[in-house]
Amino acid sequence: DQQVKQNSPSLSVQEGRISILNCDYTNSMFDYFLWYKKYPAEGPTFLISISSIKDKNEDGRFTVFLNKSAKHLSLHIVPSQPGDSAVYFCAASGETSGSRLTFGEGTQLTVNP
Amino acid sequence: NAGVTQTPKFRILKIGQSMTLQCTQDMNHNYMYWYRQDPGMGLKLIYYSVGAGITDKGEVPNGYNVSRSTTEDFPLRLELAAPSQTSVYFCASLDRLSGNEQFFGPGTRLTVL
Repeated sequence: DQQVKQNSPSLSVQEGRISILNCDYTNSMFDYFLWYKKYPAEGPTFLISISSIKDKNEDGRFTVFLNKSAKHLSLHIVPSQPGDSAVYFCAASGETSGSRLTFGEGTQLTVNP
Repeated sequence: NAGVTQTPKFRILKIGQSMTLQCTQDMNHNYMYWYRQDPGMGLKLIYYSVGAGITDKGEVPNGYNVSRSTTEDFPLRLELAAPSQTSVYFCASLDRLSGNEQFFGPGTRLTVL
């Protein structure tokens, strides 16, 4: 039972354009969502998060949107830069899971110069 | 701070051999986690610990054991290695009082032949 799904294994965008990465979840008990970025041969690094009491959180070029009714969140990167090329993981946690995170499969973002 | 460190970086095991993957964090975090990542998949939680002397199973604990005798260290033990345990293993830590953002180590790539 995949509770967090990232349906796009890969995404390719041009430098300077917007990158939109999507994530869907099925567990209505999830109330906190995170995005992690992973470069090859490195561990994931935290990027941005959002609580279920909000529908948007912004940090520089990165914005996460949460649509609770659709159980959907998205990460927007504007403008995209070649250094953003990495695998992006969506993760979720909730009151019943405590601090444990459930991860999606990841989306490989490639930003072309 | 070195953050979360993992040793070794790479290891090849024969079927039936045993080994311990080491994980150390110097951030005085109370929570620690072990994940595995298989190709094209998200991170799956193996075991976690909410403090020294306390451990609990995650989503995929079979074939693994852990211990947490100190705040800093959280070793993962494979007793009888199997090809299905070929994966990349990540250790993470969390200061639960500061939020839900886990900090990850660089990973250990394990191959069982």
